[in-house]
Amino acid sequence: QSVLTQPSSVSGAPGQRVTISCTGSSSNIGATYDVHWYQQLPGTAPKLLIYGNSNRPSGVPDRFSGSKSGTSASLAITGLQAEDEADYYCQSYDSSLSGWVFGGGTKLTVL
Amino acid sequence: QVQLQESGPGLVKPSETLSLTCAVSGYSISSGYYWGWIRQPPGKGLEWIGSIYHSGSTHYNLSLKSRVIISVDTSKNQFSLKLSSVTAADTAVYYCARSWGIAAAQIDYWGQGTLVTVSS
Repeated sequence: QSVLTQPSSVSGAPGQRVTISCTGSSSNIGATYDVHWYQQLPGTAPKLLIYGNSNRPSGVPDRFSGSKSGTSASLAITGLQAEDEADYYCQSYDSSLSGWVFGGGTKLTVL
Repeated sequence: QVQLQESGPGLVKPSETLSLTCAVSGYSISSGYYWGWIRQPPGKGLEWIGSIYHSGSTHYNLSLKSRVIISVDTSKNQFSLKLSSVTAADTAVYYCARSWGIAAAQIDYWGQGTLVTVSS
């Protein structure tokens, strides 16, 4: 049972837009701690996709965007491409646990 | 370019201690940043184990704290993980990683990961 809740799977056709939610509580996302997102391609280590709720590291396409409101955050992917098929994880800090917490991960399937 | 590389036994017996090392290249650990460990059981999600600052200050996952020790060796530019009294539930891919902090920080560099299986 993950502290941050994500849908187990989402899917979309090439070119479409999908969103992945990440729901927390008042001790993590709701306590204004930043949310970060990672993309994990099959058999590889996670890669930083979005940091500080909505910032993209250099090299990440602007098709990926992040937002945060209240106790939730979202990752949006527009113009879906086959190469976007991966697992996506959100991460934040929890003051009650005094450490990092991750969402359970969302598997994105490009139809 | 910062690179992290995990090393250690791929098979550990139940009740024994899992020991892994992460060698860092392209950046001097003594210059700063937090250095941590994250694990991922097969087919499951990510779990933070703990992190250490270059000065030796540590932060651990409360659920693992009684069994974890993370240490840093700045002379070798590496840091290590020891997890004691392991069971099959500790079977996972173990990643080492870098972040600029704890409370608000993201992980900007990851190692490739190493699979550790706990089995007799």
